[in-house]
Amino acid sequence: DAGVTQSPTHLIKTRGQHVTLRCSPISGHKSVSWYQQVLGQGPQFIFQYYEKEERGRGNFPDRFSARQFPNYSSELNVNALLLGDSALYLCASSFSRAGSYNEQFFGPGTRLTVL
Amino acid sequence: RKEVEQDPGPFNVPEGATVAFNCTYSNSASQSFFWYRQDCRKEPKLLMSVYSSGNEDGRFTAQLNRASQYISLLIRDSKLSDSATYLCVVIRPGNTGKLIFGQGTTLQVKP
Repeated sequence: DAGVTQSPTHLIKTRGQHVTLRCSPISGHKSVSWYQQVLGQGPQFIFQYYEKEERGRGNFPDRFSARQFPNYSSELNVNALLLGDSALYLCASSFSRAGSYNEQFFGPGTRLTVL
Repeated sequence: RKEVEQDPGPFNVPEGATVAFNCTYSNSASQSFFWYRQDCRKEPKLLMSVYSSGNEDGRFTAQLNRASQYISLLIRDSKLSDSATYLCVVIRPGNTGKLIFGQGTTLQVKP
């Protein structure tokens, strides 16, 4: 079975541009979370979506937005890119959001470089 | 102060050594605890959950001390393949979708 997939693998943008990152969860998983990992740091939570609704948001500016589609895939959008947005963006899927912890499985990430 | 703190290392140890990593968390209400492993330029993967009673998985032992808000990971008989970054992760109650990561501790096992 396929794991979490993300596209593109790598991306180079310039300051002020916009970027869209895509994620397909493991089949049967309804929850998708996005994380940003800056070099040398642990991943930082950006969003969680479950059943197409935002269920959690981290401490990120409004330039960051996301959505989840009926097939549970998800997009992360970042507007007005800054140099500091350069990072590895990780998507994680899990079966559900409620109750006890459901293991989150991470995709390989999209490495974004902002010049 | 970060909610989850780890010594970033790097820890350089010879094969066969025993190495221990520590992690502290600041939110006493944190309810679930994990160690993740991340290989260079790869995604994090769950290594093991951490329970108050302590738990062991082969050469790996994890301990939780709720009173001190402290988590540890012990690796015995280190292998070259253990070289990676080890991330301490906590979850707050009512927010099971949000993993809170520490900075990570880098381990390099040398021949």
